[in-house]
Amino acid sequence: DGGITQSPKYLFRKEGQNVTLSCEQNLNHDAMYWYRQDPGQGLRLIYYSQIVNDFQKGDIAEGYSVSREKKESFPLTVTSAQKNPTAFYLCASTGEGENYGYTFGSGTRLTVV
Amino acid sequence: ILNVEQSPQSLHVQEGDSTNFTCSFPSSNFYALHWYRWETAKSPEALFVMTLNGDEKKKGRISATLNTKEGYSYLYIKGSQPEDSATYLCAFDPNDYKLSFGAGTTVTVRA
Repeated sequence: DGGITQSPKYLFRKEGQNVTLSCEQNLNHDAMYWYRQDPGQGLRLIYYSQIVNDFQKGDIAEGYSVSREKKESFPLTVTSAQKNPTAFYLCASTGEGENYGYTFGSGTRLTVV
Repeated sequence: ILNVEQSPQSLHVQEGDSTNFTCSFPSSNFYALHWYRWETAKSPEALFVMTLNGDEKKKGRISATLNTKEGYSYLYIKGSQPEDSATYLCAFDPNDYKLSFGAGTTVTVRA
């Protein structure tokens, strides 16, 4: 079955460390996204990519980095520059035309210890 | 960041009762309005993508209406069941590859 796989489900990071969250899709979607959720707030866009080897900053990109070397993969690195990284992170993708509409992964909960 | 608001933040419904809640969004640069259902420990699931003013969509006991001129959408659940318990998200789509999400309405259906 087609879908989006995020790993790991839970991640603990020490202060000052970089960590990378994985997002893989087998839906043949061109566009992929990373969102962050904090309690009581809507999902906020971190980065998005419309095509391989290209990506754009979203509304809260500071302290994060991404790459898009393959269509299927869009990993997110949370760097030590991110001041408040503890949050729930969701990856999504969308196709176009009849395939338009977001498909989400099941998320990664990152906790800084 | 575009302002998308959902109300109420949460509601409790008795099994069998019907309920509805609201999503308000900017009335300019509208392309589409998305609704998602997000159950605990699962991925958000697409319910509707609505594009036309006056649109009404239905999926089982769940339906949604859209008013793009005044910038709101209602989601209705008829005859609520325990499996309807979830957070319902709406998202404003101005056709620039970036959705703006509301904070969600969390529905709890009591048996």
